[in-house]
Amino acid sequence: DTAVSQTPKYLVTQMGNDKSIKCEQNLGHDTMYWYKQDSKKFLKIMFSYNNKELIINETVPNRFSPKSPDKAHLNLHINSLELGDSAVYFCASSQDPGNTIYFGEGSWLTVV
Amino acid sequence: GQQLNQSPQSMFIQEGEDVSMNCTSSSIFNTWLWYKQEPGEGPVLLIALYKAGELTSNGRLTAQFGITRKDSFLNISASIPSDVGIYFCAGQRRGAGNNRKLIWGLGTSLGVNP
Repeated sequence: DTAVSQTPKYLVTQMGNDKSIKCEQNLGHDTMYWYKQDSKKFLKIMFSYNNKELIINETVPNRFSPKSPDKAHLNLHINSLELGDSAVYFCASSQDPGNTIYFGEGSWLTVV
Repeated sequence: GQQLNQSPQSMFIQEGEDVSMNCTSSSIFNTWLWYKQEPGEGPVLLIALYKAGELTSNGRLTAQFGITRKDSFLNISASIPSDVGIYFCAGQRRGAGNNRKLIWGLGTSLGVNP
C-alpha cells in the first residue's frame, strides 16, 4: 500500500536514448512533483502539477517533459539522455501546493 | 537556485550522544520542515513547524522555528545507529505558484558509531 510509487527503481541506459519514469500516488493528493537529487545529494525541484496543471517549471532542459494524465499520476519522459542526467529522480505529492510533501522511493538513473 | 544554509555538512558521533543541526536563511519563511533520508530511500518528514517560536518534539527529535522566522534547528537526543542518514531542512513561504515551492538545505549527513 505504498503511498507514492515510482517505476523503475533502477535504470541504466545509453546516451541518446529516450526513457520514461512513471509515478503514481494513492493519497488522494492534488499536487505532484518531480525532484532531481545529484551526486552531492542536493534536492532540486523540476516540475510541479496541481490538478493536472503545471504550476512550477524550473529551468530544466526541454528534453525533460512531464505528463499528468490524471491527479494520481505524473510521469517524466526524458529525450536524448546525456551523461549529466545521471541522478536520482524523486516523485512526490502533497494535498495542495502549500502542504507537506511525501516522497517516493526514487528512481536511480545511470546514463552510460 | 536558492538554497538554505544548513550546518554542519556532516558529522560522525558515538551512539548515545546528542546531535544538533541548524538551518538559516536571509529571508523569512512561514513553514519550516525537517526531513530524513536513509540510504536508498526518499526523504521522509520528521517534523513540521508552522509558527515562529514553536518547539515541537517527535520522540527523541526536537525542532524549533526561530523567532526571527529565518532559522530552525533540529536536535536528536541519545542517538542510536538507526539515526544514520541525511537530514534536510526546508522552508516555505505563503503565496501562489513558485512562491510556495520548498527551498531546501544541502543536508546534514549523520553517521553514528555503535
